[in-house]
Amino acid sequence: NAGVTQTPKFRILKIGQSMTLQCAQDMNHNYMYWYRQDPGMGLKLIYYSVGAGITDKGEVPNGYNVSRSTTEDFPLRLELAAPSQTSVYFCASSTHYTGELFFGEGSRLTVL
Amino acid sequence: AQTVTQSQPEMSVQEAETVTLSCTYDTSESDYYLFWYKQPPSRQMILVIRQEAYKQQNATENRFSVNFQKAAKSFSLKISDSQLGDAAMYFCAYTNAGNMLTFGGGTRLMVKP
Repeated sequence: NAGVTQTPKFRILKIGQSMTLQCAQDMNHNYMYWYRQDPGMGLKLIYYSVGAGITDKGEVPNGYNVSRSTTEDFPLRLELAAPSQTSVYFCASSTHYTGELFFGEGSRLTVL
Repeated sequence: AQTVTQSQPEMSVQEAETVTLSCTYDTSESDYYLFWYKQPPSRQMILVIRQEAYKQQNATENRFSVNFQKAAKSFSLKISDSQLGDAAMYFCAYTNAGNMLTFGGGTRLMVKP
């Protein structure tokens, strides 16, 4: 079982560059999420989706964009990367917001 | 916005002993869900235990149990017979209708052999 797959696992960006973090799940979950985790901190919600075509902002959405064209995929776009976006990014999915979240392995992004 | 507070940045326990991790949360809702997640050095987040606020009975999962005090808005995690593999970051989390999962700042648990 693949579960939640994130790519890439590591990436270094220069200030002002853009990139997309890919996330795919094969569990047919309606809910998908993007979190970021800064060193020594908890996870903060960036964006979430409750189904294909529906997305909404979380706690820290500035500088990011998402789309959800299929149930399986939920890419996170970083526009004009800034050092403040240096973090570990986690994608997760669930059947419902009250249920267990299944996480990917994380993507470590460094902006220099 | 909901807030989840873990007041212990680090905890240490001897192997085979019992340890309790603290969590408090702020909410005006009566119906919500609480979770403990474990993050080992591999970084993969894993669900440890889940509690529904409408249930008075404390959730248990093998060596893991919670002490849910709704009036005090407290949700502590007890790990019995601690094992070396329990060493990890532990995150308390909260969700309710209209709010996606909110995490606390985490507690790093060290297990001494």
